[in-house]
Order: sequence, then C-alpha cells, then structure tokens
Amino acid sequence: GAVVSQHPSRVICKSGTSVKIECRSLDFQATTMFWYRQFPKQSLMLMATSNEGSKATYEQGVEKDKFLINHASLTLSTLTVTSAHPEDSSFYICSAMGLAGGLYNEQFFGPGTRLTVL
Amino acid sequence: LAKTTQPISMDSYEGQEVNITCSHNNIATNDYITWYQQFPSQGPRFIIQGYKTKVTNEVASLFIPADRKSSTLSLPRVSLSDTAVYYCLVLPARGSARQLTFGSGTQLTVLP
Repeated sequence: GAVVSQHPSRVICKSGTSVKIECRSLDFQATTMFWYRQFPKQSLMLMATSNEGSKATYEQGVEKDKFLINHASLTLSTLTVTSAHPEDSSFYICSAMGLAGGLYNEQFFGPGTRLTVL
Repeated sequence: LAKTTQPISMDSYEGQEVNITCSHNNIATNDYITWYQQFPSQGPRFIIQGYKTKVTNEVASLFIPADRKSSTLSLPRVSLSDTAVYYCLVLPARGSARQLTFGSGTQLTVLP
C-alpha cells in the first residue's frame, strides 16, 4: 500500500525558533498533499492543501506567513512553523493523494509529528 | 461539505461485535464513504471504503442503506488493540474542490 513518512516524528524547540517538518510519499507520486493539526482529544483540522509546483491553499484562520508550506516535488512537501510559540504545540499530520489509484480522493496519512514549543 | 455525525464514544468487551453508525444526510451522488482508525499519536489508518450496500474486507464490514444517508462500520470480535478513534468520512470524487472533513470521530474502548 501507499506509504507516507514524516520527519521528524517528535521535536521540542524553544519559543521563537522555526521548525521544519517533512512529508514524503515513499512509493507513489503525490500531486496533492494536505497538512492537518490535531490538539489533544480533538479531531484533525485541515490547515492547508498543497499542490506540487504551486502555492498552498490555506484554510480560514490559518496564517500563511506563520505556517509556510512548500511542495517542490511530487514526493515531498514541507511545513515550516515560523517563530513557534507554545500555542503552536500540537500534533501535525500530513496526507498525500496520488496520481494513480482510485477514482475517489483517497488520502494516505503520515505517522504525524509531535511539536512541543517551550 | 458533507457533514458526518457519529457517537462520541462507545464501550465494548473483547470478543463482541461492534457496530458504529455514522449519518451523512447531505451526501452527494458521487461521494464515497470511508472509515479511518486512529491510535493515539499516530496518523489515521484506512479501514474500509464503500459506495452502497455492503463491503467486507479482512478487518471490517461496511453497511450502506439504499438512501446512503448513513453507514455502519462493523468490527467482528473486537480485541483490546481495537481501542481507538474511528472516523467516518465522505470522500468527494476526484477532481472535486471539496476536501476531507474530519468529524469528531467515535472513541471505541474495548474492555477485557
């Protein structure tokens, strides 16, 4: 099956620093990748949709200057949390949608990245 | 967006069959119904997908009535390791501008 990886799996940083999270589709090409955020005991919230070679589309209320998304290739998308603050601490999950495959928008999820900002 | 409604939580005992029902009243003609499982601190994992009637795989069955306004995920003989959050989602057809929307999910707790 389609595999999506994320790196790092866990990161702890000081307030004010920037953190980059990578999302890779390992065995398929992903035309579209999605970034979600999940707070404890809550559901996944879509942050942005990223299409290879074009600017990401952000959901309402998500600051595009704070959460920089780059989808430079068909297998890699990155999310950079700039000037992170404690309220940015969360579980960040990416998903990828492939070129080939089913008729419907199946998404394959990464294992997530736990960000803790001190 | 097709909104889904599920019970917030369910408890069951090992070995029992568990049925989780999801309502999606405004599902569109071309939409597909998909269920995901999520363990703590992990990404969601695909369980099963269907359009109508019944679909079965090695881990679950999915029952969808003719009007498609609801669906039921059936987990046979659950074990402790099935304790997780289960999400019902409606997937738009490829090419649609609509996105996946995660509802609250159902926290299933399997007791010994």
